[in-house]
Amino acid sequence: EAQVTQNPRYLITVTGKKLTVTCSQNMNHEYMSWYRQDPGLGLRQIYYSMNVEVTDKGDVPEGYKVSRKEKRNFPLILESPSPNQTSLYFCASSLPSYQGRLYNEQFFGPGTRLTVL
Amino acid sequence: RKEVEQDPGPFNVPEGATVAFNCTYSNSASQSFFWYRQDCRKEPKLLMSVYSSGNEDGRFTAQLNRASQYISLLIRDSKLSDSATYLCVVNTGYGGATNKLIFGTGTLLAVQP
Repeated sequence: EAQVTQNPRYLITVTGKKLTVTCSQNMNHEYMSWYRQDPGLGLRQIYYSMNVEVTDKGDVPEGYKVSRKEKRNFPLILESPSPNQTSLYFCASSLPSYQGRLYNEQFFGPGTRLTVL
Repeated sequence: RKEVEQDPGPFNVPEGATVAFNCTYSNSASQSFFWYRQDCRKEPKLLMSVYSSGNEDGRFTAQLNRASQYISLLIRDSKLSDSATYLCVVNTGYGGATNKLIFGTGTLLAVQP
């Protein structure tokens, strides 16, 4: 089954304790992205990756890191989480927009609900 | 001003009703437009793309007005299963750049029996 998986799905942690949220897709997509969703603000892009070893900042990158060592995986790292990073996080993947189309559908993972105390 | 604006709702409608959602966007260079559906606490899923000529998929009709920078979604004969949040999404990326999606905050639809 084609899918994007995220782990963990739920996490409660404390300020300053490093954590990683994993994201994996089995569709051989080049493009992957992380979003956070907060009430009244919608989904906002944190980081994205056009391909292996190619990553770039989105709209709200502060406090986050990513890596793309393999095509299928795109982990999100919070080196020193703070309470303002409490949010619902989504990973997404798609084919890149330049492959003959202006846009390819983004497939989202099930989300990770993070609470930082 | 937000880049993509939607009425947050909620829209409470009876089964069988027709309901319309509107969305405006600020970036006139935006390339493509979409409606995503998000069920409570779940991931967004693509409902339909929006084309300049307007497009229809069953009970759903989407319209784009580039001059007014306005997008709409019409749902006819509402079903209980249509209850969800509808996200207006605008892609400001182009060509070899990226999928630069800007999401509206969503409009909540509750279809009542």
